[in-house]
Amino acid sequence: DAGVIQSPRHEVTEMGQEVTLRCKPISGHNSLFWYRQTMMRGLELLIYFNNNVPIDDSGMPEDRFSAKMPNASFSTLKIQPSEPRDSAVYFCASSLGGGGGNTGELFFGEGSRLTVL
Amino acid sequence: GENVEQHPSTLSVQEGDSAVIKCTYSDSASNYFPWYKQELGKGPQLIIDIRSNVGEKKDQRIAVTLNKTAKHFSLHITETQPEDSAVYFCAASGGDKIIFGKGTRLHILP
Repeated sequence: DAGVIQSPRHEVTEMGQEVTLRCKPISGHNSLFWYRQTMMRGLELLIYFNNNVPIDDSGMPEDRFSAKMPNASFSTLKIQPSEPRDSAVYFCASSLGGGGGNTGELFFGEGSRLTVL
Repeated sequence: GENVEQHPSTLSVQEGDSAVIKCTYSDSASNYFPWYKQELGKGPQLIIDIRSNVGEKKDQRIAVTLNKTAKHFSLHITETQPEDSAVYFCAASGGDKIIFGKGTRLHILP
């Protein structure tokens, strides 16, 4: 299996622009997570889905952030409008578990490094 | 919600020595404690995990201990090698969510 695939790997944009990050989870996994990594805050959970349904979005910092999972093989994280403080590495991860039971092992993508100027 | 504290943030050890990273968690309902290793430019990868019905688990040079009463858990790496240099994250979970500590950057000195 190719693992979790994220795109783009790097994105540089200007403040106010819309940013869309994409994720393809491992086939057969039923839970998907979006994390943000910064030096100051470490790995923060933004939102997670189980069977394509958003379960907990309490980590989404503001209304400028939104995430969708239209089907089992694709998810997006959108920031509109972007701000310099959104600069971070955004990771997508998938797992077999969830839905009330233990999530088990998370498989991470290689991340999308976002720089907002 | 769950809060995970991790110490130290940076750790340097001589090659061959042991390294210990400590974490505390806040939610007594948490019952799953994984550890992830992140190499430069990569996503984190699971290296070992422990569940609350076990006090200690070992896998070759890596061991984890869990004290549920004190809400502490630790990662021990023995006979450290250059390839152990990375960022290590502890995490805690009581169900669907996995909450991570802020990470420890481990440097193995030659």
